[in-house]
Amino acid sequence: GQQVMQIPQYQHVQEGEDFTTYCNSSTTLSNIQWYKQRPGGHPVFLIQLVKSGEVKKQKRLTFQFGEAKKNSSLHITATQTTDVGTYFCAGPQYGSRLTFGEGTQLTVNP
Amino acid sequence: NAGVTQTPKFQVLKTGQSMTLQCAQDMNHNSMYWYRQDPGMGLRLIYYSASEGTTDKGEVPNGYNVSRLNKREFSLRLESAAPSQTSVYFCASSEGGQANTIYFGEGSWLTVV
Repeated sequence: GQQVMQIPQYQHVQEGEDFTTYCNSSTTLSNIQWYKQRPGGHPVFLIQLVKSGEVKKQKRLTFQFGEAKKNSSLHITATQTTDVGTYFCAGPQYGSRLTFGEGTQLTVNP
Repeated sequence: NAGVTQTPKFQVLKTGQSMTLQCAQDMNHNSMYWYRQDPGMGLRLIYYSASEGTTDKGEVPNGYNVSRLNKREFSLRLESAAPSQTSVYFCASSEGGQANTIYFGEGSWLTVV
């Protein structure tokens, strides 16, 4: 089964509110990747974190990699309707095979 | 530069029928993958090919076969479709192993009735 757990599964927010999704792995990861999938679309790469404790920002999105390299988070400040979609984390497990979390589906009410 | 192209985009099959999903990438990537996506299940790896000439089972390989025809092309075959195989299928590729960024095709919506 899945060894990369992601919570919450669903999140509904009002436009302008913040949003956070969390990713936890049962094993130490060499890196963590985040993808976004718009409704009806395909997953698109957002970012990769490699270093312990790393924090990266993309405009209103902040990505963190835990000190133990077993967890990660994605935080969106002041959500907009364009943020709607499902956010996946993914980490290499079973050797080098990438395992995806189940995703967090974000809906934003205007 | 089209990236990852997969066909068909939509397909309806009757139980027991066979079909092949085609995939090609023009990024000169070594690794290619087939995933299926079901509601609430995330992306599950069916098969992958780390390099031309090699294929390996992923998390959910039963009922599927693959062929890495050349470096560009990686096809997925359903020999005898079952309703449980109704899903969205994504082909993907990456430069090296799965630790690298994965680029997805636009998906193939398959319904088995």
